[in-house]
This record gives sequence, C-alpha cells and structure tokens, in this order.
Amino acid sequence: ELKVEQNPLFLSMQEGKNYTIYCNYSTTSDRLYWYRQDPGKSLESLFVLLSNGAVKQEGRLMASLDTKARLSTLHITAAVHDLSATYFCAVSSMEYGNKLVFGAGTILRVKS
Amino acid sequence: NAGVTQTPKFQVLKTGQSMTLQCAQDMNHEYMSWYRQDPGMGLRLIHYSVGAGITDQGEVPNGYNVSRSTTEDFPLRLLSAAPSQTSVYFCASRIVTGGYTFGSGTRLTVV
Repeated sequence: ELKVEQNPLFLSMQEGKNYTIYCNYSTTSDRLYWYRQDPGKSLESLFVLLSNGAVKQEGRLMASLDTKARLSTLHITAAVHDLSATYFCAVSSMEYGNKLVFGAGTILRVKS
Repeated sequence: NAGVTQTPKFQVLKTGQSMTLQCAQDMNHEYMSWYRQDPGMGLRLIHYSVGAGITDQGEVPNGYNVSRSTTEDFPLRLLSAAPSQTSVYFCASRIVTGGYTFGSGTRLTVV
C-alpha cells in the first residue's frame, strides 16, 4: 500500500520566518505533487516533481525531491500572511496503478 | 476550456436516498477520479477510470458506484446515502503525461 505522510500537520508561523514542510512516502514514485487549498476552495497545483534532485521554485515557495530518501520538502521563505492555507503533497506510482495518494495536509497559519 | 465541472455544488440528502454527483471534463483527459475530503484525512480515492469503459476501485469504494461511458463524463452514484458519506467530493482528471486538474467540489450533507 502506498502511504504518504506529511509533517507537521499544523504550523503557525510569524511573518518573515522560514520553515519547511516534509512529505515522506513509502514506495518508489513517478511523480510527486504539491497542492494548495484555501478554505472552502478546490486544490491549486503548485509543483510537479518528476525526478531525483528536482527543485522548483515559485515566489516564496520551493519544493525539492529526493527519491532515494523518499522525501519531498516544501520550503517557505520569509512567510507572508497570504501563504496561509492547507498544503498537500500527493504521490503517484506506476507500481500502484498511477493512483494519486495524498498526505493528510499541513495547515499553515502565518501571523502578522 | 471549462476544465473539470462538478454539479451540484451543495446537496443535502436524507439517509437512504440515492443521488448522482456529476463530473465532466472537456480536455480529452483519459484519466478521471473521485476523491472525498474529510477533516484531517487529506483526500481519499473512491474510484478512478483510465479511459472510457474502464473503472476501478480506490481506497474507500464502499457505498459508491461509477461508470465511464464517455471520455468526458464520470458520474459518482451514492446508492443509499449514510451520514458517514457526509463529506466534500472532488473530481479530478489528467492526461497520461500531465498533472491533475480538480473540479470545484461538491459539499454533501447526509442527515
């Protein structure tokens, strides 16, 4: 069974601080996704990571993938209030029929 | 392109009633799937389809049926609604080599 674990599940940050969300998964992955969800809204795609060592950046968010460690990180630089949301990582694997399996999500609150 | 369209956006059912949640996409995506989202549990896969005429079960399929008669449509049927099926339902689609596109969701309450 493909399992995806995120931590922390809840993160309260001060504006201007840096922090990292971790995503561990249990098997070889073909793709790793990061999504953002605002309350009452759908999921917004942030990053798709395909290969070992992949790093992608958008604004204050940077995602990386280490397939050997089965670990992805979402790093937040100099947080601002607008980044407050729930962040999900999700993994798909050919070994599991390319089904997309989600982590439980990280609720991020940035305090001004 | 409208993307992935889900209807209705909100629904209240009585226990034992049946209903169909609609999902349509206009991007010619082969792969479509249904998820439910419950607090603290992320999104869990209910059923998915890799193409017209092909469906398979996900992590939490009990109480739900699907069919895929066309590439565009992937309806989710609740056979006999139960309070445990109160949730937010998302439909998603993708091409084989691409990322996922999610619908806006259906908020279902079973009383």
